[in-house]
Amino acid sequence: EIVMTQSPVTLSVSPGESATLTCRASQSVSTNVVWYQQKPGQPPRLLIHDASIRATGIPARFSGSGSGTEFTLTISILQSEDFAIYYCQQYHNWKTFGGGTRVDVK
Amino acid sequence: EGQLMNSGGGWARPGGSLRLSCAAYGFRFSGYWMSWVRQAPGKGPEWVANIKEDGSDKYYADSVKGRFTISKDNARNSLYLQMNSLRLDDTGIYYCARDAAGFDLWGQGSLVTVS
Repeated sequence: EIVMTQSPVTLSVSPGESATLTCRASQSVSTNVVWYQQKPGQPPRLLIHDASIRATGIPARFSGSGSGTEFTLTISILQSEDFAIYYCQQYHNWKTFGGGTRVDVK
Repeated sequence: EGQLMNSGGGWARPGGSLRLSCAAYGFRFSGYWMSWVRQAPGKGPEWVANIKEDGSDKYYADSVKGRFTISKDNARNSLYLQMNSLRLDDTGIYYCARDAAGFDLWGQGSLVTVS
């Protein structure tokens, strides 16, 4: 099983600042990575697929990068609605999720 | 854009059974792989099973293999999950999800409690 490790577990950020979230795969997954945002009481929402392609309707302040084993989600100019938990997931070999990064208000 | 509506779930004793359903609206259901994804309380999501567009291929996570069965009825635009031999650690919210490059459409979820 491919293990996805996210860091940090919690990221405290002020509105208007940027946030950088990291996801590492235990073996190469090429660019077969997606990122989700989840708010309390809601299902996850797809933000990024194929490591760097924004899903339909996702604002340009969300960007993804990486390939192989190292991936990054960057949120520039955080808005109040961006405080949430973010998960990465690989679909290179079966489908496994990372443990999540909680982005909260500093 | 599409919509998925979960139904079913509820409470079961260990060893019991439950059946989940998911109705699809607003997209060509027969043209997509579909998955079930679950989330235990306070934990991250876990993929459970998926099924090919025409229902001919099915895959399961090791944690549910031999106990859960996924099925798809394209005539009724519906997805199902039959859960047998339930265990305490099957407790959580179960989502149906459209399986494209990632899960791009999710149902609202059904709560399953095993106790």
